[in-house]
Amino acid sequence: QSALTQPASVSGSPGQSITISCTGTSSDVGGYNYVSWYQQHPGKAPKLMIYDVSNRPSGVSNRFSGSKSGNTASLTISGLQAEDEADYYCSSYTSSSTLLFGGGTKLTVL
Amino acid sequence: QVQLQESGPGLVKPSETLSLTCTVSGGSISSYYWSWIRQPAGKGLEWIGRIYTSGSTNYNPSLKSRVTMSVDTSKNQFSLKLSSVTAADTAVYYCARMATRQWLDYWGQGTLVTVSS
Repeated sequence: QSALTQPASVSGSPGQSITISCTGTSSDVGGYNYVSWYQQHPGKAPKLMIYDVSNRPSGVSNRFSGSKSGNTASLTISGLQAEDEADYYCSSYTSSSTLLFGGGTKLTVL
Repeated sequence: QVQLQESGPGLVKPSETLSLTCTVSGGSISSYYWSWIRQPAGKGLEWIGRIYTSGSTNYNPSLKSRVTMSVDTSKNQFSLKLSSVTAADTAVYYCARMATRQWLDYWGQGTLVTVSS
């Protein structure tokens, strides 16, 4: 199984909005609403930011939002802050009862 | 608050078996899936597999032939064994709790395992 496709990097200025895409197939992203997003700062464990495509865990800022259209899921971060600079990974359940991650996207806050 | 802690050797010789244990505290291990994920230095996350507290497992097809997971509910622990390791298996290994709908909500801090003679 190949990793879900994410852009290697995105950037934005403080206060702006950015969107990170995550493209899969009908056997994973397109077939289930089991898409999650994780934030990872250097040297730290990943942190769950979005689950079930668009739901935020308690304690995660409402500046983070998720959506899905067809085989592509998206994470949008609005009102960019310096602390948002990190790596972001999407994941999806698959028809093989496995979990598949995206390759990761490095977000730079300019 | 649920906490997870990985433990095991930080150095494994090529062709040998990597063995890690994850201890869960602050909550019961029962009625959840538990996963292992790894991350080579400078690279992305790779899901290794999951185990339910009944012992049912699902593994990444690319690792399936070398992976064995087990769970010990009496100790609130689950474990990973990866056989015939090579340098390509050098990575930070994380354990995590996996919700029924497949999100990973609690993670261990990760443990670096280096494969080298």
